[in-house]
Amino acid sequence: DTEVTQTPKHLVMGMTNKKSLKCEQHMGHRAMYWYKQKAKKPPELMFVYSYEKLSINESVPSRFSPECPNSSLLNLHLHALQPEDSALYLCASSQGTGDGANVLTFGAGSRLTVL
Amino acid sequence: AQSVTQPDIHITVSEGASLELRCNYSYGATPYLFWYVQSPGQGLQLLLKYFSGDTLVQGIKGFEAEFKRSQSSFNLRKPSVHWSDAAEYFCAVAPWGGGNKLTFGTGTQLKVEL
Repeated sequence: DTEVTQTPKHLVMGMTNKKSLKCEQHMGHRAMYWYKQKAKKPPELMFVYSYEKLSINESVPSRFSPECPNSSLLNLHLHALQPEDSALYLCASSQGTGDGANVLTFGAGSRLTVL
Repeated sequence: AQSVTQPDIHITVSEGASLELRCNYSYGATPYLFWYVQSPGQGLQLLLKYFSGDTLVQGIKGFEAEFKRSQSSFNLRKPSVHWSDAAEYFCAVAPWGGGNKLTFGTGTQLKVEL
């Protein structure tokens, strides 16, 4: 299995809702990532988990809350989002160490719309 | 800080023509270098990577890239473009030694005319 699976593919939520994005991989990767991508822009790193521990938080607002329940799963909990948070959210994974730590496999993304 | 520049925002080529997408990086040492492709509304797919060794690297879908240290460049090439190659192409760099921080260029939108 060489895939990263993201659910849901599309999500529409109001500013007072609480929702979650989910990501799963079964490649034995020990690093997992959340990226945010606005239209016509490159992906921007949000969070990195390495060996189930949060290793990088790119100063992301607290209305985004990541969670890594185990080495195969990564969640992004969303609460009190703003319309400007509407974007494609990409999950990725990589090996935990060595050269492979920089070779990311991306999921297809979750398209989020905040009304 | 490391940075990646893709000078061409849009490129249009005819099907069957050759393609070259430019990428320049700024970094203290030779970083890891990557090219990713993204179809509309999709995730990113790795085309090829350069870590060390042979400066001409082969990737998937008939793409290749050449690392030129003297020019701090890592340009992507394809001898004959197919209509299905129309997509957004991102060059990316990561610091030598890892660190899990991939920095993307701004991307080049490729359009293929039939």
